[in-house]
Amino acid sequence: GAGVSQSPRYKVAKRGQDVALRCDPISGHVSLFWYQQALGQGPEFLTYFQNEAQLDKSGLPSDRFFAERPEGSVSTLKIQRTQKEDSAVYLCASRPDSYEKLFFGSGTQLSVL
Amino acid sequence: AQSVTQLGSHVSVSEGALVLLRCNYSSSVPPYLFWYVQYPNQGLQLLLKYTSAATLVKGINDFEAEFKKSETSFHLTKPSAHMSDAAEYFCAVSGSGGYNKLIFGAGTRLAVHP
Repeated sequence: GAGVSQSPRYKVAKRGQDVALRCDPISGHVSLFWYQQALGQGPEFLTYFQNEAQLDKSGLPSDRFFAERPEGSVSTLKIQRTQKEDSAVYLCASRPDSYEKLFFGSGTQLSVL
Repeated sequence: AQSVTQLGSHVSVSEGALVLLRCNYSSSVPPYLFWYVQYPNQGLQLLLKYTSAATLVKGINDFEAEFKKSETSFHLTKPSAHMSDAAEYFCAVSGSGGYNKLIFGAGTRLAVHP
């Protein structure tokens, strides 16, 4: 596709369940970012990849959060043992190189019951 | 540390009226500043960015913003609002990682009424 694709669009999880959120960046984009957007708030940085290397994971809120991009293209954000406070929209963004604009996906809305 | 404050979580204007969305930033280094727009069920789209060139930055759809260092502000304006401008607007500043990490404000929801 022409844009950043995220799946699923909506995810409902029971507390304690593990979830995996997928991001397909624009083909050829080197950099990939994950952001978390709580209701009524702006996006907050989670982690950053350059190709397959995770260069910054300072925003991951706990060790229950894990992200990977093994082949430098598709990325997966995994949340283990989900908690209610994990409920948010998870946004993925990509860009061709360091000095270009970010292209955002529509996000995955995660609701933890 | 860097931060962004957007004054007014909701702004309502009449169609054809001036749009003014306020953003103040805090940064210990010369900042890069951005405005993004988010339409319902869509990803964020870049409206414009300031990267230390001209202080008056023009973006898409007739939006513009002026960087004022003395006021630590980067307010977004549009001379005449259209119904299609109704959306959520986010101001952002680049973090310590340069272009690698954006710090967003809480957002301002713009409503445009006939």
